[in-house]
Amino acid sequence: GAGVSQSPSNKVTEKGKDVELRCDPISGHTALYWYRQSLGQGLEFLIYFQGNSAPDKSGLPSDRFSAERTGGSVSTLTIQRTQQEDSAVYLCASTPELAGGLETQYFGPGTRLLVL
Amino acid sequence: AQTVTQSQPEMSVQEAETVTLSCTYDTSESDYYLFWYKQPPSRQMILVIRQEAYKQQNATENRFSVNFQKAAKSFSLKISDSQLGDAAMYFCAYRSGGPGNQFYFGTGTSLTVIP
Repeated sequence: GAGVSQSPSNKVTEKGKDVELRCDPISGHTALYWYRQSLGQGLEFLIYFQGNSAPDKSGLPSDRFSAERTGGSVSTLTIQRTQQEDSAVYLCASTPELAGGLETQYFGPGTRLLVL
Repeated sequence: AQTVTQSQPEMSVQEAETVTLSCTYDTSESDYYLFWYKQPPSRQMILVIRQEAYKQQNATENRFSVNFQKAAKSFSLKISDSQLGDAAMYFCAYRSGGPGNQFYFGTGTSLTVIP
């Protein structure tokens, strides 16, 4: 596709429910990142996928959060038993991961999650 | 972990004037990259400018330029001839050299452009 897409754009859920957020990276991009952006805050790193390597899960805030990336493309971030403090915008980004670290991250429009 | 600090939560500038957004970072590495991203109300993060740490020359992209002071670990963004469309959140980001590394973001500066 032309850019990174995320769905849904907005999600309202009740406390205790599970939610799944989807990210479609740019075709050919081998690296994919998930971030959380709480109101008035910067971007909090959650998880990073690079090709077939084991993902870097060091940013996941609790075991209620998990993510997978199928076939090196689409990724799903799952939040189980949602809490009100999970309310935030969840951003996905992809990069081509060429040699070196100057690759630009291309961001999706984000999913705004509201837990009531 | 590296930290990125943006000490100005909010800034404002008159249209057509110049504004500078500050960013400092903490690292013991010598090989890294620095970025400024813009996030308008649409939430779409857009790259503004980037800089390789090994380059002494400051990066420039049209009206946007940086003042990269490696010894001081400072990476400020200057916006010249500010336009209404420049109003957005601006995030400074750091990444270690080489692939497979995280990006670290600051908390952002909200820029208002006054007509």
